[in-house]
Amino acid sequence: DVKVTQSSRYLVKRTGEKVFLECVQDMDHENMFWYRQDPGLGLRLIYFSYDVKMKEKGDIPEGYSVSREKKERFSLILESASTNQTSMYLCASGNSLLEHNEQFFGPGTRLTVL
Amino acid sequence: DQQVKQNSPSLSVQEGRISILNCDYTNSMFDYFLWYKKYPAEGPTFLISISSIKDKNEDGRFTVFLNKSAKHLSLHIVPSQPGDSAVYFCAASAEGGGADGLTFGKGTHLIIQP
Repeated sequence: DVKVTQSSRYLVKRTGEKVFLECVQDMDHENMFWYRQDPGLGLRLIYFSYDVKMKEKGDIPEGYSVSREKKERFSLILESASTNQTSMYLCASGNSLLEHNEQFFGPGTRLTVL
Repeated sequence: DQQVKQNSPSLSVQEGRISILNCDYTNSMFDYFLWYKKYPAEGPTFLISISSIKDKNEDGRFTVFLNKSAKHLSLHIVPSQPGDSAVYFCAASAEGGGADGLTFGKGTHLIIQP
């Protein structure tokens, strides 16, 4: 059974803190993605990676960075958390060989920045 | 500029009836279209997809229709069941875009009433 796991379901941080969100997939997928979901805005792509040590900016990369040192792990980093980064963060993985480019999502991390 | 649009934030349907969720897109480079279902506090789960070379794809109670000339697709659920109550996201990608992430609409909250 395919699985994407995220390190925390709920996280509360203070403004200015450095925040790490971890994501691990066990499907040997090349591609991994970070999205955020906000009410009325849907899912928006922050960063993605198509290979180890490779990263590409998505639609809203400002204030975020990523790290992919191993194929199965993709980390999202908030260098200095701000209140407008309070959101649901969703990690996904996929493979270009999958029909229709489908992606598999983790359960999400609800981050609150105070 | 919103490339994938779901113009109905919510939809209420009686149990046993047909649910029709609509989605419009503007980018003619999109070749694959996907529907995801999301329950609160969970990640989205893949539901059904369609390639632009087809106009219909069916999987059990779920059927997706694509009208490429109108840049419009719809998801039909029949008969609707209480467990179908969720937020449904329409998503699109370009051929070979499996590494580039999906473009999502803002979602439609489907409520199935007993």
